Order: sequence, then structure tokens, then C-alpha cells
Amino acid sequence: AQKITQTQPGMFVQEKEAVTLDCTYDTSDPSYGLFWYKQPSSGEMIFLIYQGSYDQQNATEGRYSLNFQKARKSANLVISASQLGDSAMYFCAMREVQHDNQFYFGTGTSLTVIP
Amino acid sequence: EAQVTQNPRYLITVTGKKLTVTCSQNMNHEYMSWYRQDPGLGLRQIYYSMNVEVTDKGDVPEGYKVSRKEKRNFPLILESPSPNQTSLYFCASSSQTARYSNQPQHFGDGTRLSIL
Repeated sequence: AQKITQTQPGMFVQEKEAVTLDCTYDTSDPSYGLFWYKQPSSGEMIFLIYQGSYDQQNATEGRYSLNFQKARKSANLVISASQLGDSAMYFCAMREVQHDNQFYFGTGTSLTVIP
Repeated sequence: EAQVTQNPRYLITVTGKKLTVTCSQNMNHEYMSWYRQDPGLGLRQIYYSMNVEVTDKGDVPEGYKVSRKEKRNFPLILESPSPNQTSLYFCASSSQTARYSNQPQHFGDGTRLSIL
């Protein structure tokens, strides 16, 4: 079974609108971390936001927020007020603490912001 | 400047010719890792290391070797490269101990490898 599932290969959003990128995960480890990374066309991987399995509140970092629904095993990324520079690939990732700290990435969502 | 440095950035080589991709970090991070990125597959972990002299297999270790003799360096070795190892490779590091999961990984700029 896939550890991280991103079901949206591509998304479009109008500039200044909000967009939600979906991510579901599969783990039996009670302690884990969820991460979102951005990969622009230049290729570098940029860390955006983190959510821990024991965190009570949803993580926020500027225009990024993480909609964490533990019972549903989902960790969706919400980008508010989209900008043209947000056009990129977005990857959801998970680290299982008890499972030797291996990292798992999803297949990514390509986001295009339309002017 | 805190960074993860990979070399080379681009390499075209032939089947069977041993190659090494170097990775170095200057942040004193314990955790280092190698990934390959292929279209439609995302990033897949090849090997990772929790600390010096400690390495573990990720999801796709076949055909690769690594070593962690020093904390800052984590080279990826392809003893006998084959065309199916043509990919974009990333090295990453984080200040991660075994008990905590909240540190993000810092990535190198990537190495684009073509095996003919």
C-alpha cells in the first residue's frame, strides 16, 4: 500500500484565490511527522510546513496552512491568496519515527496559478 | 551559508562505468539521505543514515551503495550503472535524532544522471 497518496496530478487556481492540495497517508506508527515541500521548475526542494502526529492544532506558516484530520489520515495543504510564484510541484511527505525514521513522499501535485 | 552540496550537478556516462555522486552538508546534521526522482513516481528514498557508520536501506536500494565515514559526507556509489538508473538524484540532511520527527530535510540542488 502507498504510504503517501496525492490524488491530484494537476491543479489550476486563479490568482488571489485559495487552493487545497490533498494528501492522505497510511501508517500504524503513533509517532510521525508530515511535511509539505515545493519544487519550482528550477528543481530545488523547498520546505513549506510541518505537522506532528501529536500536535493539537493545525500548522500554519504565512499563506500556508495544513488541514490535519488525524482520524481520516489526511494532511491537506491550503494555500491562501495564490500568487503566480506558487506555480510548482508540491510534495507531501511523511516520516515514521518508530519505523527507523524512513521518509516517504507522494507522487506530487502540479499547481498552476492563472493570472 | 547552511547548505547541502552535491557534485556533479549533471553527468552523462555509460553502462557499467562506476561513478560516485558526492554529498556534503555543513550544518552538523545527524540524518542524511539519498532520493531519486522520476516522473510520476515522486521522490523515492534510496538509502539513509542516522549517524556516522549507520546506514539503512530505503525503498529502492538495489544497484546503489553508500557510506558514512564522516558526519558531513554521504556519497552515493553506483558500482555498475545501468540505464534504469537514469534519474534526478537528491541528497538531503536534517538535524534529526531517533526520537523526534519534526525537523525538515534540507535538500541539495540535485544531480541529473544519464546512463547510456
